Amino acid sequence: TQLLEQSPQFLSIQEGENLTVYCNSSSVFSSLQWYRQEPGEGPVLLVTVVTGGEVKKLKRLTFQFGDARKDSSLHITAAQPGDTGLYLCASRLYLDQAGTALIFGKGTTLSVSS
Amino acid sequence: ETGVTQTPRHLVMGMTNKKSLKCEQHLGHNAMYWYKQSAKKPLELMFVYNFKEQTENNSVPSRFSPECPNSSHLFLHLHTLQPEDSALYLCASSQEEGGAATEAFFGQGTRLTVV
Repeated sequence: TQLLEQSPQFLSIQEGENLTVYCNSSSVFSSLQWYRQEPGEGPVLLVTVVTGGEVKKLKRLTFQFGDARKDSSLHITAAQPGDTGLYLCASRLYLDQAGTALIFGKGTTLSVSS
Repeated sequence: ETGVTQTPRHLVMGMTNKKSLKCEQHLGHNAMYWYKQSAKKPLELMFVYNFKEQTENNSVPSRFSPECPNSSHLFLHLHTLQPEDSALYLCASSQEEGGAATEAFFGQGTRLTVV
């Protein structure tokens, strides 16, 4: 089972600052997803990256997939209090029998204060 | 509203009790999952059901017993739990198509406290 290492574990910043969080593995990802989880809710998908070197933008969020498909980063520009939450990266685990399931990193807890 | 509904939202139970968690998805998906989320640990995959058949039991103790009567409903039966089983239990569903990278939709979870 490949492990997903996320860093930093906690991040507390002021509104308007920029930040980057990371997801790394010793294994090659077939694809990688980023989810955000707010308190009292389940995780919600932000993006899926599939191709090495791929960059995807979602408003102020920029997601990058490493060329070797072993790492990914999430950069937030001009963070806002609404960005507060737990950011999780996930990769797909292929099961012995038909089907797949997602495995997750521990996540980065982001707190943005105004 | 993600299309995945979990009940109850909160549950407090004694170690000798028997209770069940319920999950229902209204998305027409063919796969459903149970995850456990504890403090300081990543989301842990517990069980996977694909087309109502259990395809994965991720070394979960037998005091947790899943049931999938149809592709829209998933239960987690609990009995003689331990305090360390206190956690957020999340249900998810997805449409599995030959291993393609599909999105998982999560319920809001059941916050379980074992006393």
